[in-house]
Order: sequence, then structure tokens, then C-alpha cells
Amino acid sequence: DVKVTQSSRYLVKRTGEKVFLECVQDMDHENMFWYRQDPGLGLRLIYFSYDVKMKEKGDIPEGYSVSREKKERFSLILESASTNQTSMYLCASSPGLAGAFSYEQYFGPGTRLTVT
Amino acid sequence: AQSVAQPEDQVNVAEGNPLTVKCTYSVSGNPYLFWYVQYPNRGLQFLLKYITGDNLVKGSYGFEAEFNKSQTSFHLKKPSALVSDSALYFCAVWMDSSYKLIFGSGTRLLVRP
Repeated sequence: DVKVTQSSRYLVKRTGEKVFLECVQDMDHENMFWYRQDPGLGLRLIYFSYDVKMKEKGDIPEGYSVSREKKERFSLILESASTNQTSMYLCASSPGLAGAFSYEQYFGPGTRLTVT
Repeated sequence: AQSVAQPEDQVNVAEGNPLTVKCTYSVSGNPYLFWYVQYPNRGLQFLLKYITGDNLVKGSYGFEAEFNKSQTSFHLKKPSALVSDSALYFCAVWMDSSYKLIFGSGTRLLVRP
């Protein structure tokens, strides 16, 4: 069965802390994505990667960075957490080469991050 | 600009009645459209997609969606709603130009017993 796991379901951090969110998929998918979900705004793409060590900015990359050293793992990093980064963070993966539009994405359960 | 809109924040329907969750899109070129569902405290799950071919697409849990090119719509439907269908539903469109999905703002479906 397809599986995307995220390191934490709930996380509370202080302003200015460096935060790591980890995502692992066991489906050998080429593409991985990080979204944030906020009420009334739907999902917004932060970063995505279509290969190891490759990364592309999404719609809201400011304040975030990513790392993909291995095919199955995609990390989201908040360099200096701020209160406006309090949100639900969702990781997803999909098969196929970059630009493969026909494949659905598989989502992890999400990490609810609170920055105080 | 390519976009997708879900005009209703919430849809209420009685169990056993048909349901419709609306989605309209704006893309240049061929649209590739998806529906996802999010149950409480869960990630998103894929329901169905339209890539090409038959305008009526059938998906998981008895859901279907009708692609209407002239109205640029991709409404999600189910003939008979269940209480367990209560969830948050997202429509999404694939952007060819930048290889990414654009999601709508979501519609909360409440099915009352």
C-alpha cells in the first residue's frame, strides 16, 4: 500500500527557532512536494522536487528551504520560524518524470505546526 | 492566469439525497483536473481525475465528476450521500507551464442524518 509518512503530527516551536519537517515515501516516486494548508486558502505549494538534489520553488517559498539527499526523503526547513508560519504542512509524492500531469499525488497525514 | 475556483465554502445535504460540489477552472490549453478529499485530521486522498476521453469520470467511494468544457466546470457528484462523506473536498488543476497542481480553496461537505 502506498505510504507517505511525516515525522510529527503536532509540533510547537518558538519564534526564531530552526525547524525541520521530514517526509518519507516508500513508493520509489520521483516527485515530492511540500504544501501548507490554511483555512480558506486551500493548499499552496512551497517547494517541490522531481529528482534527488533537485528542487524548484513553488508559490510561497519565502522563509523556507528544502533538502532532498535521497529519493525517498524530502525535508522542509524553516530557517527562523515566525508566527505567520503557523499552519498545517502537507507532504506529497507522485510517480513519473517532471511534467507528468496524469499522475495523482499521494499525501502524508500532515504536520500541524504552531509557532509561539 | 490559470486558476481553479470552488464557489461554495460549505455544502449541506441530507443523507440519501444527491450531492454536488462545484468547481470551475481557467487554464490555457487542455485542462487536467483532479478531486481530492480530506477527512478530519488526515492528509488528502485522491478521488478521481479527468485527463481526456469520456466527460463523466467515475472515482472512489461512489463519486463521479462531469467535465464540461463549454462551462469550464468539473463538478463532483454522488447520487446518494452518506454521513461518512462529510469531509473537506478540493478541486485541483494541473498547470502545464510549471508542472504543478493548483488547488481550490476547498468546500466543506456536511451530510446530516
